Amino acid sequence: EVQLLESGGGLVQPGGSLRLSCAASGFTFSRYAMSWVRQAPGKGLEWVSTISGSGGSTYYADSVKGRFTISRDNSKNTLYLQMNSLRAEDTAIYYCTKLVVDGVLPNWFDPWGQGTLVTVSS
Amino acid sequence: QSVLTQPPSVSGAPGQRVTISCTGSSSNIGADYDVHWYQQLPGTAPKLLIYGNSNRPSGVPDRFSGSKSGTSASLAITGLQAEDEADYYCQSYDSSLSGSVFGGGTKLTVL
Repeated sequence: EVQLLESGGGLVQPGGSLRLSCAASGFTFSRYAMSWVRQAPGKGLEWVSTISGSGGSTYYADSVKGRFTISRDNSKNTLYLQMNSLRAEDTAIYYCTKLVVDGVLPNWFDPWGQGTLVTVSS
Repeated sequence: QSVLTQPPSVSGAPGQRVTISCTGSSSNIGADYDVHWYQQLPGTAPKLLIYGNSNRPSGVPDRFSGSKSGTSASLAITGLQAEDEADYYCQSYDSSLSGSVFGGGTKLTVL
């Protein structure tokens, strides 16, 4: 069974940094692209970033480009999201999700982790 | 403002049929990129409901169906049940943004 377990969320001040992790199991991690999708409180889903299986290709939403960095360690079956220069509007639940078919984008997401909450506030 | 447009809410009585629309543009759905649908039950993570416009993952009841035409897509739910009360999101790819895009979500209320 595929499992994705996020960690690293918490309260951070505006301008601060945070690193999220997603531990994956149940599939050959290095073969699949992975993504982060976020959901602000009471709002809809927003794609944040995608990384290829090898880690050689990365893609970002304009709203986080230049501030967030997606990466992966295939030896540890772990996905990361380094978030710098955080803003109040980055407050959200961050979900780790696996892309389904070979390749990167376009693609769809299945399954999803349970999410980790990031709150940016002073 | 989401790239894909969905109605904020729909409702129906048990047993009825409801549809949820997802309208895009020439850089996403209209460019022949597939549409996928997710169900998010209250307090839980999203779950894949329909992929590739009209395909159901194993375990998803055949009461759920998807279709796509032109720059729009639709999710239909027949034989509405109380457990279907959830938020539903469409998703596709946008070539102008070079990334995945979601609809704003539709809250389904079972009366």
